Amino acid sequence: GENVEQHPSTLSVQEGDSAVIKCTYSDSASNYFPWYKQELGKRPQLIIDIRSNVGEKKDQRIAVTLNKTAKHFSLHITETQPEDSAVYFCATSSTNSGYALNFGKGTSLLVTP
Amino acid sequence: KAGVTQTPRYLIKTRGQQVTLSCSPISGHRSVSWYQQTPGQGLQFLFEYFSETQRNKGNFPGRFSGRQFSNSRSEMNVSTLELGDSALYLCASSLMGGNTGELFFGEGSRLTVL
Repeated sequence: GENVEQHPSTLSVQEGDSAVIKCTYSDSASNYFPWYKQELGKRPQLIIDIRSNVGEKKDQRIAVTLNKTAKHFSLHITETQPEDSAVYFCATSSTNSGYALNFGKGTSLLVTP
Repeated sequence: KAGVTQTPRYLIKTRGQQVTLSCSPISGHRSVSWYQQTPGQGLQFLFEYFSETQRNKGNFPGRFSGRQFSNSRSEMNVSTLELGDSALYLCASSLMGGNTGELFFGEGSRLTVL
């Protein structure tokens, strides 16, 4: 099945700095790339997603970029705030995986004031 | 609109027992998928149901099974429990399926196997 690698596993930044999380995937048929945020003790929630026909998407302080040739996509968070502290999961889906999402193992982001 | 509801929220079982978990999706959502979340492995896909049909299954042993009812509610069952089955089991619903749009997760059922 699809192998999604996510780096780094932990990330600590100071408030106001930027944070970047990168994921690589193996299935060239992958065509959907969502990012989920899970706060401590809470359920995962979608924060942004991108499809394979788009190279970049922004939503306020967050953005996702996709490089299909290199098979990697990244989450960028600018002007980080303490409430951004959470675990972030990338995921992929492809025509080969049907309706399943293949998740990375997560990045624990800590934003310190 | 009510969110995804999972029951029970917490349960403790012993090895060899079986367990049934329940998930009620958001009204109007026909796709229900299940994920196992563990600290070291993240979220791993178990299976997905749409209109009572299993459309996809992850790499889990046959002890893990599920079903979906005509009202889109879903159950998953784990038989002959092992210690390694201890995890948070998350259910997620969507209109059409995981690659068509947002998954809405429930709060999960935390299973501890002793």
